[in-house]
Amino acid sequence: AQKITQTQPGMFVQEKEAVTLDCTYDTSDQSYGLFWYKQPSSGEMIFLIYQGSYDEQNATEGRYSLNFQKARKSANLVISASQLGDSAMYFCAMREGWFTGGGNKLTFGTGTQLKVEL
Amino acid sequence: NAGVTQTPKFRVLKTGQSMTLLCAQDMNHEYMYWYRQDPGMGLRLIHYSVGEGTTAKGEVPDGYNVSRLKKQNFLLGLESAAPSQTSVYFCASRGADRDRQPQHFGDGTRLSIL
Repeated sequence: AQKITQTQPGMFVQEKEAVTLDCTYDTSDQSYGLFWYKQPSSGEMIFLIYQGSYDEQNATEGRYSLNFQKARKSANLVISASQLGDSAMYFCAMREGWFTGGGNKLTFGTGTQLKVEL
Repeated sequence: NAGVTQTPKFRVLKTGQSMTLLCAQDMNHEYMYWYRQDPGMGLRLIHYSVGEGTTAKGEVPDGYNVSRLKKQNFLLGLESAAPSQTSVYFCASRGADRDRQPQHFGDGTRLSIL
């Protein structure tokens, strides 16, 4: 069974500094994908970034980058130059491989609450 | 562009009552999902559908039923609501192609069972 672990329930960062949110995963699939979502206090789920297990380079999207270490089964989200609007809950999620029953189901971690301070 | 729309946004039920949550998407997506979000537990998959007329169980299906009679709609039913079903419910959809396509989420339905 797939499992996502986010060990940081809460994190604080100063505005304009970088922050790393940890995510480790466990799967027996060779092909899988990792997603990060942001959930602000308003409640909606916002997709941030994706990393495929066969991608040769770490994913980047603007101020978001993913530090993907396949051998260590970690996919940490790095937010550079933090802004007050980055304060939110962040979820790591893993998509199952294509050969595990279909549906492209996601398994979510328990999330990290990030607070950006002045 | 509406994306994924959930109805209603809030609802309070009494134990034993029934209700249906509606999810509608306008992106012609094949796959649709229902999740529940509880404090400290992330999102857990209740049921999902890979196409019109199909449904399958997720991680926490007990106490819920679903139907997908039309491609754009995915209904979640509670036949006899229990306080343990107090939660925030999210619907999501996704196209069938391209590995890196994310699931698109609705804004959620906050459901309280008294």
